[in-house]
Amino acid sequence: DTGVSQDPRHKITKRGQNVTFRCDPISEHNRLYWYRQTLGQGPEFLTYFQNEAQLEKSRLLSDRFSAERPKGSFSTLEIQRTEQGDSAMYLCASSPQGNIQYFGAGTRLSVL
Amino acid sequence: GENVEQHPSTLSVQEGDSAVIKCTYSDSASNYFPWYKQELGKRPQLIIDIRSNVGEKKDQRIAVTLNKTAKHFSLHITETQPEDSAVYFCAASLTGGGNKLTFGTGTQLKVEL
Repeated sequence: DTGVSQDPRHKITKRGQNVTFRCDPISEHNRLYWYRQTLGQGPEFLTYFQNEAQLEKSRLLSDRFSAERPKGSFSTLEIQRTEQGDSAMYLCASSPQGNIQYFGAGTRLSVL
Repeated sequence: GENVEQHPSTLSVQEGDSAVIKCTYSDSASNYFPWYKQELGKRPQLIIDIRSNVGEKKDQRIAVTLNKTAKHFSLHITETQPEDSAVYFCAASLTGGGNKLTFGTGTQLKVEL
């Protein structure tokens, strides 16, 4: 499968722990996006990268969240001191220059 | 910022009937409108999109219409099949604004035999 891949697919953690998710975009896509999706809702934008530069962050992205995209390839999303409200599906998408975004299958986070 | 509303939240049709899902957006500057299909536990998949310089686009059984004046766009599925059952999301974005997508809340489509 040469699409967007995300790891892990599922993550269960205890409140207060740190978690990190990884996204591997489609090769040569220079834009990478992170979204969060809760049950019964559409995905909500969190942040995006143009190559290695993080160009926009949503107000949803509190200071406990950090994202990186070193070398403009894969990206990581870290959540520190997780809270129960962080439980959601975290989706990554990549795009060549332009509009069309291709999504990964997501990482489902459960905070106990 | 942009706000997208989507209706209905659930839609049940008989196989072979048509299904229509409607969305409205708030930012008149938005110029790209994709539709995604998401099956349970799977990734959102782009099924069709339309840009603001076009009023209608069709791809086999799927069509999308856009009314820029009213800030409405709709998804039309004809001759529905059981495999069309899924959650459908509309979205809007602005080229040049990072192209971040603002999604509607989704429509659960069920195609009954």
